[in-house]
Amino acid sequence: QVKLLQSGAALVKPGDSVKMSCKASGYTFTDYIIHWVKQSHGKSLEWIGYINPYSGGTNYNEKFKSKATLTVDKSSSTAYMEFSRLTSEDSAIYYCARSNYYSSFYVMDAWGQGASVTVSS
Amino acid sequence: DIQMTQSPASLSASLGETVSIECLASEDIYSYLAWYQQKPGKSPQLLIYAANRLQDGVPSRFSGSGSGTQYSLKISGMQPEDEGDYFCLQGSKFPLTFGSGTKLEIK
Repeated sequence: QVKLLQSGAALVKPGDSVKMSCKASGYTFTDYIIHWVKQSHGKSLEWIGYINPYSGGTNYNEKFKSKATLTVDKSSSTAYMEFSRLTSEDSAIYYCARSNYYSSFYVMDAWGQGASVTVSS
Repeated sequence: DIQMTQSPASLSASLGETVSIECLASEDIYSYLAWYQQKPGKSPQLLIYAANRLQDGVPSRFSGSGSGTQYSLKISGMQPEDEGDYFCLQGSKFPLTFGSGTKLEIK
């Protein structure tokens, strides 16, 4: 079945970067785009951006454009998000999710389990 | 950015009761609207997309409606497993934006 397996929790210091992964299985990796979503304070959700594994093309939320870098490794069916210059405001759970770019690009029908990032000195 | 105003913020319902959750968009989103359920410690699960299309495997007591700027999710007959947080998501324009969520509890 479709699975998105995310890397584990991270504890990082202010000013550092963190790179998290999202390994896809159970479907053809290049047939679906991968979104990244931030959940802060246990509630509100923010869309960070997406990457198209087939073309490598990306689309970022302007709010996160200087903060997040999305990449993929097609050979391992893995998507990555690097978050840089971390502050306490970046402490959150980060999800990856997939959607079909051509039929319903915004419909995220499978999600990873989430990766907790805590920024603390 | 399109603002999604979701209401109510929290809701208590008795078993078997019908409940509704609303999302109001700051502009027309042409039915590019999805609803998600999230249980504590879990990732969001897709319930409805294109405003009124039920995702495969989702119980038929869930339904979506609306057009233009106003959308709603209805649960016809609250069940214990329906407790959780509910979010709407608009896909009409980038950046994609979510509603602020509704916490649904059993009364």
